[in-house]
Amino acid sequence: AQSVTQLGSHVSVSEGALVLLRCNYSSSVPPYLFWYVQYPNQGLQLLLKYTSAATLVKGINGFEAEFKKSETSFHLTKPSAHMSDAAEYFCAAGAAGNKLTFGGGTRVLVKP
Amino acid sequence: NAGVTQTPKFRVLKTGQSMTLLCAQDMNHEYMYWYRQDPGMGLRLIHYSVGEGTTAKGEVPDGYNVSRLKKQNFLLGLESAAPSQTSVYFCASSYGAVSIYEQYFGPGTRLTVT
Repeated sequence: AQSVTQLGSHVSVSEGALVLLRCNYSSSVPPYLFWYVQYPNQGLQLLLKYTSAATLVKGINGFEAEFKKSETSFHLTKPSAHMSDAAEYFCAAGAAGNKLTFGGGTRVLVKP
Repeated sequence: NAGVTQTPKFRVLKTGQSMTLLCAQDMNHEYMYWYRQDPGMGLRLIHYSVGEGTTAKGEVPDGYNVSRLKKQNFLLGLESAAPSQTSVYFCASSYGAVSIYEQYFGPGTRLTVT
């Protein structure tokens, strides 16, 4: 069965610093991969998705993620953190069966 | 275009009580999903539907029932609530077919069972 692992349940970054959120998936077949963001007391919003067209995927709000098949990873980055990036981020993988499997989430705190 | 809406936003139940959560989408999506979100566990799929009149079990279906009588609505029922069902519940929908996995989420329902 598909599984998704996010390293680090909490990440603290300074405003203007690099944001790096790690995601690894387990699958013998590269799945569809997604990053979602959840702001406090809201639902999840799609940040970006990988569907095998390009290994570097650009999303909204300056985020991007790189698919690395050899490492089964799909890490999310943003060069310069902004206070508005404080949220919880979820990596998810889709495979057969019309379903998504989510990682445990990483909460990002941005320090002024 | 409201997207995905959920009713109610908050609810407190006593153990053994029943309730129904309503999810509605106005995007003409074929697929709809119910998840629960618990700290450190991400979102876990309870039930889902691939079209009007269909339902299927997800990862954690026990204690829940669902119905999809109309394409735009997906109901989640708790017949006899238990404290372990205290959680935040999210509904989602997707087009199916080409964008089958891109899901759109509602704002959530926070349920407390005492």
